[in-house]
Amino acid sequence: DGGITQSPKYLFRKEGQNVTLSCEQNLNHDAMYWYRQDPGQGLRLIYYSQIVNDFQKGDIAEGYSVSREKKESFPLTVTSAQKNPTAFYLCASTERGINREQYFGPGTRLTVT
Amino acid sequence: DQQVKQNSPSLSVQEGRISILNCDYTNSMFDYFLWYKKYPAEGPTFLISISSIKDKNEDGRFTVFLNKSAKHLSLHIVPSQPGDSAVYFCAASARAAGNKLTFGGGTRVLVKP
Repeated sequence: DGGITQSPKYLFRKEGQNVTLSCEQNLNHDAMYWYRQDPGQGLRLIYYSQIVNDFQKGDIAEGYSVSREKKESFPLTVTSAQKNPTAFYLCASTERGINREQYFGPGTRLTVT
Repeated sequence: DQQVKQNSPSLSVQEGRISILNCDYTNSMFDYFLWYKKYPAEGPTFLISISSIKDKNEDGRFTVFLNKSAKHLSLHIVPSQPGDSAVYFCAASARAAGNKLTFGGGTRVLVKP
């Protein structure tokens, strides 16, 4: 089955630690995205990548880093510089071209204490 | 500055009746609009989209209307079913921005049996 997987579903970390969230897709999509959702709010774009070895900052990139070494994978690292890391993180992908809907993974709930 | 707004945080409707969800945007560069449905702790699921060259798109029980002059779109669900109870997000993208989606804050819909 084609789709997007994110692991783990729940993640707990101590403050000051970096943590990497996994996102893998087997849809052969060129573009991938990371969003975060806070309670009662919409999704905000953290980083996106339209092609391998290239990525751009979204609206709230501070405190995050990404890599895109393979088409299928787009891991997100939440660094200790991110002031409010506790959130629900969603990864998405889409085909190349305009007017394409994004397909989302199931999300990772990160809790930092 | 929120470029996409959903001014109604919640909506309650009787089963079988129409649900109308509204969304306003400010960026005149947006040319593609989407609606997503989301359950708690899951990724959003694509519902329906509309290009700015159209003013209506229909898919089964779901119809999206676009009023470009008012920078307003709406989603109609007819008839509403209990399984439609979820949070609905509208999103917008601009061709020049390469499929980046800007999301509204969401509207929680409760369909009562």
